[in-house]
Amino acid sequence: DAKTTQPNSMESNEEEPVHLPCNHSTISGTDYIHWYRQLPSQGPEYVIHGLTSNVNNRMASLAIAEDRKSSTLILHRATLRDAAVYYCILRSNDYKLSFGAGTTVTVRA
Amino acid sequence: GAGVSQTPSNKVTEKGKYVELRCDPISGHTALYWYRQSLGQGPEFLIYFQGTGAADDSGLPNDRFFAVRPEGSVSTLKIQRTERGDSAVYLCASSLSPQNQPQHFGDGTRLSIL
Repeated sequence: DAKTTQPNSMESNEEEPVHLPCNHSTISGTDYIHWYRQLPSQGPEYVIHGLTSNVNNRMASLAIAEDRKSSTLILHRATLRDAAVYYCILRSNDYKLSFGAGTTVTVRA
Repeated sequence: GAGVSQTPSNKVTEKGKYVELRCDPISGHTALYWYRQSLGQGPEFLIYFQGTGAADDSGLPNDRFFAVRPEGSVSTLKIQRTERGDSAVYLCASSLSPQNQPQHFGDGTRLSIL
């Protein structure tokens, strides 16, 4: 599986945007970029995914670099409920998810 | 609608005992997955079902672990002769179809082996 690299942790203030980077320099043409998050004591939750173009949904935006070797998950206005571990995962027509250590996001009130 | 349900939410047992963990997927989801998560780490894949059959069990750590899905809905993960190293959170997920569809996770069963 192609690997991803994320910072171990990030801090943000409530109601400010959060930009979570992910590097995936060995990404292949068929790899989709998926993001999941895991709140404390809960299972992972799907956030967003994309292939080449930027994507938006009610939870977040995904900005994908033109060469696809990196991407950024954007939470537009962080709330306390957004405090979680965020996982960036590459998936190529595959069924299983390969989780790394993720980025632990802390939101300050 | 109802999400993925896992029971029990917590299980404490002694080393050497047999345990069963249950997963009720979202209705209509044909794909079902089991993962295991140790403290401080991301989930690790164990096994994937498409319908009733185990399409990939390559993540099962050894032959003490076994999973079934006899009617293509509910699944049971079975662990024989439990060891202290089996202590972890066992997560179940389901999806409509396997390829690049979002997986919906339950909140897991926290298994503690004394």
